[in-house]
Amino acid sequence: QKEVEQNSGPLSVPEGAIASLNCTYSDRGSQSFFWYRQYSGKSPELIMFIYSNGDKEDGRFTAQLNKASQYVSLLIRDSQPSDSATYLCAVNNYGGSQGNLIFGKGTKLSVKP
Amino acid sequence: DAEITQSPRHKITETGRQVTLACHQTWNHNNMFWYRQDLGHGLRLIHYSYGVQDTNKGEVSDGYSVSRSNTEDLPLTLESAASSQTSVYFCASSPRVGNEQFFGPGTRLTVL
Repeated sequence: QKEVEQNSGPLSVPEGAIASLNCTYSDRGSQSFFWYRQYSGKSPELIMFIYSNGDKEDGRFTAQLNKASQYVSLLIRDSQPSDSATYLCAVNNYGGSQGNLIFGKGTKLSVKP
Repeated sequence: DAEITQSPRHKITETGRQVTLACHQTWNHNNMFWYRQDLGHGLRLIHYSYGVQDTNKGEVSDGYSVSRSNTEDLPLTLESAASSQTSVYFCASSPRVGNEQFFGPGTRLTVL
């Protein structure tokens, strides 16, 4: 059973701090990695994707990938209360047939003013 | 702008009734998916389709069916609704297998 693991949280950080969200995955063949943000009562929204080892930056967001350790993370710099949401990690189901992406259960982030 | 829509947004039904949830996307994506999301379980895949006339079962497909007669639509049918199917249902589409998926706004279904 291929799995994507995330700490459910809640992760609480003060406004202006760096929030670090982590995800591990079991399928060593996975090649595509995604971070979604989901506000309460809303649908998941894609915020980052990364395919290669290393860092990828987009504004205040940085995705980090380490395929050898099967680990992907999302850093949010200068966290704002509006970043308070649940963050879902998703990994492509390499070689499988279960609809392309495997989702973690999400980490709830709370940014305190 | 291209988009993905779901209807209805909220639905209350009774046990045993047949229910159909609609999903429509205007991106011309071949790949479409149905998920349910429940507290403690995350997103679970119900059915998916890689193109017209193609449908496949996901991990929680029992009691659900889909059909794909065109690129834009993938309706989800609950053959005989059960209280265990009370959930939030999300439809998603993707341009390529293994790539990012884009989600609709969701349907909150309550089965009494």
